Amino acid sequence: GAGVSQSPSNKVTEKGKDVELRCDPISGHTALYWYRQSLGQGLEFLIYFQGNSAPDKSGLPSDRFSAERTGGSVSTLTIQRTQQEDSAVYLCASSYLGGTGGEQPQHFGDGTRLSIL
Amino acid sequence: AQSVTQLDSQVPVFEEAPVELRCNYSSSVSVYLFWYVQYPNQGLQLLLKYLSGSTLVKGINGFEAEFNKSQTSFHLRKPSVHISDTAEYFCAVSPFLSSASKIIFGSGTRLSIRP
Repeated sequence: GAGVSQSPSNKVTEKGKDVELRCDPISGHTALYWYRQSLGQGLEFLIYFQGNSAPDKSGLPSDRFSAERTGGSVSTLTIQRTQQEDSAVYLCASSYLGGTGGEQPQHFGDGTRLSIL
Repeated sequence: AQSVTQLDSQVPVFEEAPVELRCNYSSSVSVYLFWYVQYPNQGLQLLLKYLSGSTLVKGINGFEAEFNKSQTSFHLRKPSVHISDTAEYFCAVSPFLSSASKIIFGSGTRLSIRP
């Protein structure tokens, strides 16, 4: 597609349930990132994929959070046994890895707004 | 390690007035610099970036930013703002020769435009 697509756009669920968030990056972008943005806060880095592997998982807040990427394309972020503090907007971004890598901007989806009741 | 400081969490300005959003960074290595904008209920969108060359960078929607290496700053400016500029603005840095994951965002500045 033309941009990064995330689904669902909104998700409301009960505490303790598992949720799965999906990200479809821009075609050809080999790098994919997940961020969390809590109300009034900046961006919290969660995880980064290069192809299907995740060289940097340093931002995952707990073992309830996991992510995978298949076929070098779609990624899913899974949160198990959700807690109220997991309520946030989850943003996905992708970029093209070229040159030295650092100069490529990230292209963001519109996010999934997750609310835990 | 790198860090980005956006000193102003909120900046209110009147329509058609000029605005400057401040960004300072700290890094032991050379960096690329970015400004992103986030409109309500949307993801972030690239406004402009500094990679090399002229220190004055022009971006979309009439915004520009100036890289000042001695002051380690990358302030964002617009000579005359419009209501549609109401959004949150994020400054970010990425080290040269880094893995793509090492982009560091500031905490954001919320720009509100008053008619």
